Amino acid sequence: GAVVSQHPSWVICKSGTSVKIECRSLDFQATTMFWYRQFPKQSLMLMATSNEGSKATYEQGVEKDKFLINHASLTLSTLTVTSAHPEDSSFYICSADPGQGAKNIQYFGAGTRLSVL
Amino acid sequence: QKEVEQDPGPLSVPEGAIVSLNCTYSNSAFQYFMWYRQYSRKGPELLMYTYSSGNKEDGRFTAQVDKSSKYISLFIRDSQPSDSATYLCAMSNGGATNKLIFGTGTLLAVQP
Repeated sequence: GAVVSQHPSWVICKSGTSVKIECRSLDFQATTMFWYRQFPKQSLMLMATSNEGSKATYEQGVEKDKFLINHASLTLSTLTVTSAHPEDSSFYICSADPGQGAKNIQYFGAGTRLSVL
Repeated sequence: QKEVEQDPGPLSVPEGAIVSLNCTYSNSAFQYFMWYRQYSRKGPELLMYTYSSGNKEDGRFTAQVDKSSKYISLFIRDSQPSDSATYLCAMSNGGATNKLIFGTGTLLAVQP
């Protein structure tokens, strides 16, 4: 149980284009999903917290117009990197919190490697 | 001072050794403690979850929480080359935001 699916696993795009990453909780409902960014040999950096049906809460320094987050249902959240540039190249990981009975546990997707040329 | 401190390693041990991984923290409000394992270029995988103080065992893994010392540990018995990964501690105070505070991760290499 507690499987989180993230797609795509790897995407290469040209500078200036937009990229959408999907995060799905397959066997549970997640009222809260999280988006992280991870640089090589570093820990996870929280970008935003996403609650179903409401606007995402972004961490300080994260551009909300650059990283659009939509949490349309209890099992799906998407991150769109708009007008991507080489400095946006990174490893993006989503997680989902199943809520009650599993306090503050987050289950993670496999991550998406974004390369912007 | 960071809220959560974790030695980044790398830690290299021979196969079969007992591995001890540790984190210290400064926020006494933390009450939910987790250990995640992350293989290279993969998402973190939940290994252990502990609420408040005490020990928890699952197979070769044992998690310990000492809230009085603000110190948590993960022990791996009979370590295997497949245990080679980065181990992240994470903790939370159970607040409304549900955020986890992560350590920097310890890179472990188990040599065959």
